Amino acid sequence: EIVLTQSPGTLSLSPGERATLSCRASQSVTLSTYLAWYQQKPGQGPRLLIYAASNRATGIPDRFSGRGSGTDFTLTITRLEPEDFAVYYCQQYGSSPVTFGGGTKVEIK
Amino acid sequence: QVQLVESGGGVVQPGRSLRLSCAASGFTFDYYAMHWVRQAPGKGLEWVAVISYDGKNKYYADSAKGRFTISRDNSKNTLYLQVNSLRADDTAVYYCARGAEAVTTIFSWAFDIWGQGTMVTVSS
Repeated sequence: EIVLTQSPGTLSLSPGERATLSCRASQSVTLSTYLAWYQQKPGQGPRLLIYAASNRATGIPDRFSGRGSGTDFTLTITRLEPEDFAVYYCQQYGSSPVTFGGGTKVEIK
Repeated sequence: QVQLVESGGGVVQPGRSLRLSCAASGFTFDYYAMHWVRQAPGKGLEWVAVISYDGKNKYYADSAKGRFTISRDNSKNTLYLQVNSLRADDTAVYYCARGAEAVTTIFSWAFDIWGQGTMVTVSS
C-alpha cells in the first residue's frame, strides 16, 4: 500500500497570498504519475482539482497548479481567493488500494 | 447535469446491515467504473471499493473485505454498497465517485465526479 503524507497539516494564510502544499509518497507512484489533488469544503463532497500530477480538471482556475513525480508532489495556489480556504487531499489512484493523504487545511490567517 | 446522489444511510445498531445506493444521471453510467469512499467524522478520506463498468471486476480495501459488497445495476444507472456486520468504526459519510472510462484500466483515472454523501451512524 502506498502511504501518502501531506504537509503541513494546517496552513494559515491571507487572501492574495501563495499556498504551497506538499504530498510525499512512501514509494514511487506509477510511471504514469497517477496522482490527484482534491478540494473539500465543509458539508460537501470532494472536488477534483488536478490529475496526473499536473493537469487541471475541467473548470479549475489556472491559479491552481500541480507538479512533481516519483515520490514528491506539490499543489500551488498562486493567489488565494476567499473560496479557496478549504481542506486539500492528495490521492494516488494507480494501484490498489487507492490511498489518500491525511489532508492540509488552508485557513484564513 | 452530471450528478451522483447517494441514499440509504441512517442510524443502525452494531451488527446490523445496510444497503447504500448511488443514483447517477447526466452521463453514460455503464461506461465508467465507480467507487465508494468514506469519511469518518472529522477525519480524512478512505477508499472503500471499486467496480468496473460492466460489474465483472471488483476490488476492496482491506477494511471492507468480507463485510462489504459493491454492485451495480446498469439498467437503473445505480451503484450499491451492501454493508454487513456494521461496527462503530464504520460510522462515516459514504460517497460514491466516478472513475475510469471503460476503455482504460480501473486504476488509471482520478475521481472526477462525486456525490454529496450519505451518513451512516452505527450506534446502539
